[in-house]
Amino acid sequence: EPEVTQTPSHQVTQMGQEVILRCVPISNHLYFYWYRQILGQKVEFLVSFYNNEISEKSEIFDDQFSVERPDGSNFTLKIRSTKLEDSAMYFCASSFGTDNSPLHFGNGTRLTVT
Amino acid sequence: RKEVEQDPGPFNVPEGATVAFNCTYSNSASQSFFWYRQDCRKEPKLLMSVYSSGNEDGRFTAQLNRASQYISLLIRDSKLSDSATYLCVVNIPGQAGTALIFGKGTTLSVSS
Repeated sequence: EPEVTQTPSHQVTQMGQEVILRCVPISNHLYFYWYRQILGQKVEFLVSFYNNEISEKSEIFDDQFSVERPDGSNFTLKIRSTKLEDSAMYFCASSFGTDNSPLHFGNGTRLTVT
Repeated sequence: RKEVEQDPGPFNVPEGATVAFNCTYSNSASQSFFWYRQDCRKEPKLLMSVYSSGNEDGRFTAQLNRASQYISLLIRDSKLSDSATYLCVVNIPGQAGTALIFGKGTTLSVSS
Protein backbone atom coordinates (compact mmCIF):
# COMPACT_ATOMS: atom_id res chain seq x y z
CA GLU A 1 0.00 0.00 0.00
CA PRO A 2 1.39 3.43 -0.92
CA GLU A 3 2.55 5.54 1.98
CA VAL A 4 3.33 9.12 2.85
CA THR A 5 6.96 9.30 3.94
CA GLN A 6 8.53 11.98 6.09
CA THR A 7 12.12 12.82 6.88
CA PRO A 8 13.78 13.19 9.27
CA SER A 9 11.96 11.26 11.97
CA HIS A 10 13.48 13.51 14.63
CA GLN A 11 15.04 16.94 14.27
CA VAL A 12 16.72 18.84 17.07
CA THR A 13 17.48 22.50 16.47
CA GLN A 14 18.43 25.57 18.44
CA MET A 15 16.04 28.45 18.93
CA GLY A 16 16.33 30.93 16.09
CA GLN A 17 17.50 28.40 13.52
CA GLU A 18 15.63 27.49 10.36
CA VAL A 19 14.39 23.94 9.77
CA ILE A 20 13.00 22.21 6.73
CA LEU A 21 10.76 19.22 7.18
CA ARG A 22 10.36 16.96 4.18
CA CYS A 23 7.50 14.83 2.93
CA VAL A 24 6.83 12.63 -0.06
CA PRO A 25 3.05 12.37 -0.51
CA ILE A 26 1.32 9.44 -2.17
CA SER A 27 2.05 9.76 -5.87
CA ASN A 28 -1.46 10.14 -7.31
CA HIS A 29 -2.70 12.43 -4.55
CA LEU A 30 -3.46 16.04 -5.39
CA TYR A 31 -3.88 17.72 -1.98
CA PHE A 32 -1.14 18.04 0.58
CA TYR A 33 -1.28 19.11 4.20
CA TRP A 34 0.79 19.86 7.23
CA TYR A 35 -0.54 19.32 10.74
CA ARG A 36 1.22 19.57 14.06
CA GLN A 37 0.62 17.99 17.45
CA ILE A 38 2.18 19.45 20.56
CA LEU A 39 2.76 16.71 23.13
CA GLY A 40 -0.46 15.86 24.91
CA GLN A 41 -2.56 18.15 22.76
CA LYS A 42 -4.76 17.74 19.71
CA VAL A 43 -3.76 17.47 16.08
CA GLU A 44 -3.84 21.02 14.66
CA PHE A 45 -4.28 22.02 11.03
CA LEU A 46 -1.53 24.22 9.65
CA VAL A 47 -1.92 24.43 5.89
CA SER A 48 -3.28 22.75 2.79
CA PHE A 49 -1.74 22.94 -0.66
CA TYR A 50 -3.19 22.27 -4.07
CA ASN A 51 -2.11 23.01 -7.61
CA ASN A 52 1.15 24.53 -6.40
CA GLU A 53 -0.40 27.04 -4.07
CA ILE A 54 -1.75 27.29 -0.55
CA SER A 55 -5.48 26.64 -0.49
CA GLU A 56 -6.16 27.03 3.24
CA LYS A 57 -4.09 28.00 6.25
CA SER A 58 -4.77 28.33 9.93
CA GLU A 59 -3.90 31.22 12.20
CA ILE A 60 -0.96 29.14 13.44
CA PHE A 61 0.58 29.30 9.96
CA ASP A 62 2.07 32.78 10.19
CA ASP A 63 4.96 34.38 8.32
CA GLN A 64 7.37 32.11 10.16
CA PHE A 65 6.10 29.18 8.10
CA SER A 66 6.24 28.44 4.41
CA VAL A 67 5.53 25.44 2.21
CA GLU A 68 6.90 24.42 -1.12
CA ARG A 69 6.65 21.65 -3.65
CA PRO A 70 10.08 22.03 -5.21
CA ASP A 71 9.72 19.11 -7.60
CA GLY A 72 7.15 16.52 -8.59
CA SER A 73 7.47 14.45 -5.45
CA ASN A 74 8.59 16.42 -2.38
CA PHE A 75 6.48 18.71 -0.21
CA THR A 76 8.35 20.73 2.38
CA LEU A 77 7.53 22.80 5.45
CA LYS A 78 10.05 25.48 6.37
CA ILE A 79 10.05 27.09 9.78
CA ARG A 80 12.17 30.22 9.97
CA SER A 81 13.66 31.33 13.27
CA THR A 82 12.27 28.50 15.36
CA LYS A 83 10.88 29.15 18.82
CA LEU A 84 10.68 26.85 21.82
CA GLU A 85 6.93 26.55 21.34
CA ASP A 86 7.44 25.14 17.84
CA SER A 87 8.50 21.88 19.48
CA ALA A 88 5.91 19.35 18.33
CA MET A 89 5.27 16.40 16.08
CA TYR A 90 4.71 17.59 12.53
CA PHE A 91 2.59 15.38 10.33
CA CYS A 92 2.39 15.56 6.57
CA ALA A 93 -0.74 14.19 4.91
CA SER A 94 -2.11 13.82 1.42
CA SER A 95 -5.47 13.07 -0.14
CA PHE A 96 -6.79 12.40 -3.60
CA GLY A 97 -9.57 14.96 -3.46
CA THR A 98 -11.55 17.04 -1.01
CA ASP A 99 -15.04 15.55 -1.03
CA ASN A 100 -15.04 12.71 1.48
CA SER A 101 -11.41 11.94 0.69
CA PRO A 102 -9.65 10.89 3.88
CA LEU A 103 -6.18 12.06 4.72
CA HIS A 104 -3.28 9.64 4.71
CA PHE A 105 -0.62 10.62 7.20
CA GLY A 106 3.10 10.13 7.29
CA ASN A 107 4.88 8.88 10.41
CA GLY A 108 5.68 12.42 11.46
CA THR A 109 8.79 14.43 12.28
CA ARG A 110 9.40 15.15 15.93
CA LEU A 111 10.86 18.66 16.14
CA THR A 112 12.64 19.62 19.32
CA VAL A 113 13.71 23.25 19.69
CA THR A 114 16.22 23.87 22.46
CA ARG B 1 -17.97 27.09 20.60
CA LYS B 2 -15.11 24.79 19.66
CA GLU B 3 -15.16 23.42 16.11
CA VAL B 4 -15.03 19.73 17.00
CA GLU B 5 -15.73 18.56 20.54
CA GLN B 6 -15.26 15.14 22.06
CA ASP B 7 -15.49 13.68 25.53
CA PRO B 8 -11.80 13.13 26.37
CA GLY B 9 -12.44 10.10 28.57
CA PRO B 10 -10.60 7.98 29.42
CA PHE B 11 -12.99 5.13 28.87
CA ASN B 12 -11.78 2.05 30.73
CA VAL B 13 -13.64 -1.08 29.66
CA PRO B 14 -13.12 -4.85 29.90
CA GLU B 15 -12.59 -6.98 26.84
CA GLY B 16 -15.86 -7.78 25.12
CA ALA B 17 -17.58 -4.60 26.21
CA THR B 18 -19.48 -2.27 23.93
CA VAL B 19 -18.40 1.35 24.08
CA ALA B 20 -19.72 4.47 22.36
CA PHE B 21 -17.99 7.76 21.64
CA ASN B 22 -19.68 11.02 20.79
CA CYS B 23 -18.58 14.05 18.87
CA THR B 24 -20.24 17.37 18.05
CA TYR B 25 -19.20 19.87 15.40
CA SER B 26 -19.99 23.54 15.11
CA ASN B 27 -20.18 24.25 11.38
CA SER B 28 -23.51 23.22 9.87
CA ALA B 29 -22.00 23.36 6.38
CA SER B 30 -19.49 20.58 7.11
CA GLN B 31 -19.82 17.72 4.64
CA SER B 32 -17.04 15.24 5.38
CA PHE B 33 -16.73 13.23 8.56
CA PHE B 34 -14.25 10.62 9.69
CA TRP B 35 -13.08 8.66 12.68
CA TYR B 36 -9.35 8.17 13.04
CA ARG B 37 -7.44 6.29 15.69
CA GLN B 38 -4.11 7.35 17.09
CA ASP B 39 -1.77 5.17 19.08
CA CYS B 40 0.64 6.80 21.49
CA ARG B 41 3.19 8.98 19.65
CA LYS B 42 2.08 7.64 16.27
CA GLU B 43 0.36 9.21 13.30
CA PRO B 44 -3.46 9.27 13.05
CA LYS B 45 -4.80 6.38 10.98
CA LEU B 46 -8.17 6.33 9.26
CA LEU B 47 -10.64 4.06 11.01
CA MET B 48 -13.68 4.83 8.91
CA SER B 49 -15.51 7.51 7.01
CA VAL B 50 -18.95 8.50 8.31
CA TYR B 51 -21.81 8.56 5.86
CA SER B 52 -25.21 10.19 6.23
CA SER B 53 -27.06 6.87 6.41
CA GLY B 54 -24.68 5.46 8.99
CA ASN B 55 -22.18 2.75 8.21
CA GLU B 56 -20.64 -0.31 9.72
CA ASP B 57 -17.26 -1.93 9.36
CA GLY B 58 -17.01 -5.15 11.33
CA ARG B 59 -17.26 -4.29 15.01
CA PHE B 60 -17.35 -0.56 14.34
CA THR B 61 -20.50 1.46 13.59
CA ALA B 62 -20.54 5.17 12.79
CA GLN B 63 -23.62 7.38 12.84
CA LEU B 64 -24.18 10.96 11.71
CA ASN B 65 -26.98 13.25 12.82
CA ARG B 66 -26.78 16.41 10.72
CA ALA B 67 -29.66 18.13 12.48
CA SER B 68 -27.90 17.84 15.83
CA GLN B 69 -24.39 18.15 14.31
CA TYR B 70 -23.47 14.99 16.11
CA ILE B 71 -21.34 11.97 15.17
CA SER B 72 -20.95 8.74 17.06
CA LEU B 73 -18.72 5.68 16.99
CA LEU B 74 -19.80 2.38 18.51
CA ILE B 75 -17.28 -0.38 19.15
CA ARG B 76 -18.68 -3.82 19.88
CA ASP B 77 -16.83 -6.72 21.48
CA SER B 78 -13.83 -4.58 22.46
CA LYS B 79 -10.38 -6.08 22.01
CA LEU B 80 -7.17 -5.22 23.83
CA SER B 81 -5.87 -3.91 20.51
CA ASP B 82 -8.66 -1.32 20.39
CA SER B 83 -6.86 0.62 23.13
CA ALA B 84 -6.01 3.96 21.51
CA THR B 85 -7.23 7.53 21.17
CA TYR B 86 -10.17 7.96 18.79
CA LEU B 87 -10.25 11.21 16.86
CA CYS B 88 -13.35 12.77 15.37
CA VAL B 89 -12.48 14.65 12.17
CA VAL B 90 -14.69 17.10 10.30
CA ASN B 91 -14.09 19.32 7.31
CA ILE B 92 -14.51 23.03 7.89
CA PRO B 93 -15.70 24.59 4.65
CA GLY B 94 -13.50 27.39 3.50
CA GLN B 95 -12.47 29.01 0.31
CA ALA B 96 -11.18 25.72 -1.02
CA GLY B 97 -12.93 23.41 1.44
CA THR B 98 -9.80 21.51 2.26
CA ALA B 99 -9.26 21.89 5.99
CA LEU B 100 -10.00 18.80 8.07
CA ILE B 101 -10.21 19.67 11.75
CA PHE B 102 -9.53 17.19 14.53
CA GLY B 103 -11.19 16.88 17.89
CA LYS B 104 -8.98 16.39 20.93
CA GLY B 105 -9.75 12.69 20.91
CA THR B 106 -11.31 10.17 23.28
CA THR B 107 -8.98 7.74 24.98
CA LEU B 108 -10.03 4.11 25.23
CA SER B 109 -8.31 1.56 27.42
CA VAL B 110 -9.45 -2.07 27.09
CA SER B 111 -8.31 -4.42 29.81
CA SER B 112 -8.37 -8.19 30.16
